[in-house]
Amino acid sequence: DAGITQSPRHKVTETGTPVTLRCHQTENHRYMYWYRQDPGHGLRLIHYSYGVKDTDKGEVSDGYSVSRSKTEDFLLTLESATSSQTSVYFCAISEKTAHWPQHFGDGTRLSIL
Amino acid sequence: TQLLEQSPQFLSIQEGENLTVYCNSSSVFSSLQWYRQEPGEGPVLLVTVVTGGEVKKLKRLTFQFGDARKDSSLHITAAQPGDTGLYLCAGVEAVSNTGKLIFGQGTTLQVKP
Repeated sequence: DAGITQSPRHKVTETGTPVTLRCHQTENHRYMYWYRQDPGHGLRLIHYSYGVKDTDKGEVSDGYSVSRSKTEDFLLTLESATSSQTSVYFCAISEKTAHWPQHFGDGTRLSIL
Repeated sequence: TQLLEQSPQFLSIQEGENLTVYCNSSSVFSSLQWYRQEPGEGPVLLVTVVTGGEVKKLKRLTFQFGDARKDSSLHITAAQPGDTGLYLCAGVEAVSNTGKLIFGQGTTLQVKP
């Protein structure tokens, strides 16, 4: 299994609070992704990174920011959480572009009350 | 509107039955991937198809990429309870200059013993 660790695995917080989710990889892969998964929507890309300090937006990036200061870590921040951001968040990595297989972490279940 | 439409969204069958899951789009894809996801875990890649008309087999699973590279199917022969899970198709649009992976909304399969 690809070495991907997401933390925390579960979090409950209140509307308006900041939240940071962490993705750590041990594979030295260049590409890292953050997705959210909601019923009926499959997986939707939030942000992705194609190298240290190189990031770009996905289709549902509003309300989220990311940072990648090291190859192995990709952080997702909700500056001021809203109830619509309640979801399961997945981190993925790939060796090259999205054409290549993506390996996923086990997800973070985030509930915003 | 989903760029990749999967059907059916839910499927409940008895052990031993055959089934087909479809993944359709009006767009052309340069490659298409199929993933399987179990509860509490991230998706795991099953196969990648690249060439129009390509057929790949993985034990009892047969994957096909449409000739025009706009659709794909997953056929399972003699389904077993261990096949239960969420099946996701995902692809990269041929016209995309970002190479982002787009997911279908998923097909939930339940195989009853």
